[in-house]
Amino acid sequence: DAKTTQPNSMESNEEEPVHLPCNHSTISGTDYIHWYRQLPSQGPEYVIHGLTSNVNNRMASLAIAEDRKSSTLILHRATLRDAAVYYCILTAYNFNKFYFGSGTKLNVKP
Amino acid sequence: EAGVTQFPSHSVIEKGQTVTLRCDPISGHDNLYWYRRVMGKEIKFLLHFVKESKQDESGMPNNRFLAERTGGTYSTLKVQPAELEDSGVYFCASSQERGLAGARDTQYFGPGTRLTVL
Repeated sequence: DAKTTQPNSMESNEEEPVHLPCNHSTISGTDYIHWYRQLPSQGPEYVIHGLTSNVNNRMASLAIAEDRKSSTLILHRATLRDAAVYYCILTAYNFNKFYFGSGTKLNVKP
Repeated sequence: EAGVTQFPSHSVIEKGQTVTLRCDPISGHDNLYWYRRVMGKEIKFLLHFVKESKQDESGMPNNRFLAERTGGTYSTLKVQPAELEDSGVYFCASSQERGLAGARDTQYFGPGTRLTVL
């Protein structure tokens, strides 16, 4: 199981950017990096994913280190609705199950 | 497009009773997953169906848990008999792709079923 390490919690002010780090030093060459988040009393929700190159979508950006041993989820302007637990997850070829760690609990202050 | 639905949203049962959880995946999704979070712990994988076949059931905790997906559509997860430590939230997810494409595929999660065993 490819492991990820994330800070337990982070805090941000509303409308400011947030950088959520994830370390995955044992990542394999074909492992994808996924980010999901879980809002209170809801199921996990897809945020973004990537393999080697940085990725952008309407929700966030994903910056992947050149050696792929770490990545950063970037929320460009945090809103109160972004308060959630964010999970960094690796998936391997033909092993699609997700390994959820403890994630990072993001608190957004108004 | 309807998302993943789970029923019931909450179930309270006595120890030793049987409970059946149901998951309806997104239409057309061949992959269906069950996960659970027990109190204070991380979300853990239980098993993975591809259509009606069990692709991976390495996360099933013991033989009190039985998952089925007849016809490759909805799935049920039966716990018989339920124990106190089975209390938690059970999530179902579905996705479309397989193999290498599966590794990059998005899993869509349902809202979960909260199971309380007294």
